[in-house]
Amino acid sequence: DAGITQSPRHKVTETGTPVTLRCHQTENHRYMYWYRQDPGHGLRLIHYSYGVKDTDKGEVSDGYSVSRSKTEDFLLTLESATSSQTSVYFCAISQQDNEQFFGPGTRLTVL
Amino acid sequence: DAKTTQPPSMDCAEGRAANLPCNHSTISGNEYVYWYRQIHSQGPQYIIHGLKNNETNEMASLIITEDRKSSTLILPHATLRDTAVYYCIAQGAGGGNKLTFGTGTQLKVEL
Repeated sequence: DAGITQSPRHKVTETGTPVTLRCHQTENHRYMYWYRQDPGHGLRLIHYSYGVKDTDKGEVSDGYSVSRSKTEDFLLTLESATSSQTSVYFCAISQQDNEQFFGPGTRLTVL
Repeated sequence: DAKTTQPPSMDCAEGRAANLPCNHSTISGNEYVYWYRQIHSQGPQYIIHGLKNNETNEMASLIITEDRKSSTLILPHATLRDTAVYYCIAQGAGGGNKLTFGTGTQLKVEL
């Protein structure tokens, strides 16, 4: 399996609090992605990164920010969590044109 | 990226071939067909991809029609562990593969 870890794996938080999810890779892949998955939907892209300090928005980026200060880490921040951000969050990595490898996911509940 | 259409669910007997169809009638010439699967609440797993030639790997075969408007993923000898949601994605070439997931096909392999 590709070396991708996500932390925390589970988190319960309250509306209005900041939350940061971490994705860590040991594969030295250039591209990193954050997706969310909700019942009845496939995965939807939140943000992605194409290199250190290079990021861009995905399909559902409102309410989320990201940072990538080094190749191996990609952070997803919810500045002020809302109940609509209750979801399962997946991180993925890839090289130039190759397939994406996904992490185990983080289950976030916002009360 | 082109939109894909898949049946919501399919059943298959263990040991038989599972043939999962996908329509991508608006696919453009430089878009690949990718298949991923997601086993209950795990991160998606890459299976196979192709442009216009049929492809085979240790997991599956991918048959793409000559006009490239549809494809079929074949699991030659399905097992219970192949029960999963299978996603067909038409994706442009180039760096930063931003996958657009639909709702996929729920394949249930039964004894």
